[in-house]
Amino acid sequence: DGGITQSPKYLFRKEGQNVTLSCEQNLNHDAMYWYRQDPGQGLRLIYYSQIVNDFQKGDIAEGYSVSREKKESFPLTVTSAQKNPTAFYLCASSIGDLLGTQYFGPGTRLLVL
Amino acid sequence: AQKVTQAQTEISVVEKEDVTLDCVYETRDTTYYLFWYKQPPSGELVFLIRRNSFDEQNEISGRYSWNFQKSTSSFNFTITASQVVDSAVYFCAFGSGNTGKLIFGQGTTLQVKP
Repeated sequence: DGGITQSPKYLFRKEGQNVTLSCEQNLNHDAMYWYRQDPGQGLRLIYYSQIVNDFQKGDIAEGYSVSREKKESFPLTVTSAQKNPTAFYLCASSIGDLLGTQYFGPGTRLLVL
Repeated sequence: AQKVTQAQTEISVVEKEDVTLDCVYETRDTTYYLFWYKQPPSGELVFLIRRNSFDEQNEISGRYSWNFQKSTSSFNFTITASQVVDSAVYFCAFGSGNTGKLIFGQGTTLQVKP
């Protein structure tokens, strides 16, 4: 089955710790995205990547970093610089360019201890 | 600036009622795309529909229908004969050819009671 997988489902971060959220897709999609969702709010774009080894900042990139070494993978690192990381993180991918319909993974819920 | 407004925060209906979710957008772009996504309690966003700005034809898919009106910058979503399984948060989103990024509304929480 083709799809987008995110792991872990729940992640706990200690103060000052960097954590990495995994996103993998086997849809052969070119573009990948990371969104953050806070309770009762819509999604906000963190980073996006149209092709391997290239990525762009979204609206709320501060405190986050990404890499795109493989077409299938787009991991997101939440650094210690992100002071309010508690949120639901959703990864998405789309075929072709950035105008393609985005399909989402199941999400990772990040909590701070 | 581009913006998507879903004025209805929460809607509660009884099963078999029809319900319309409103979506209003703001843009100066002439080419753009509109989407509806469903987010059930599990959290994953499920794609429902995409509409291009040059195609105002309304669409029906089973119990779902969408009314796109450029004159009022609206893209409303109607569920006919609602079911308990329709209970979810529904998001309207806007994408533009200039940025390629999706802008989401705040979402409407729909509760369908048996």
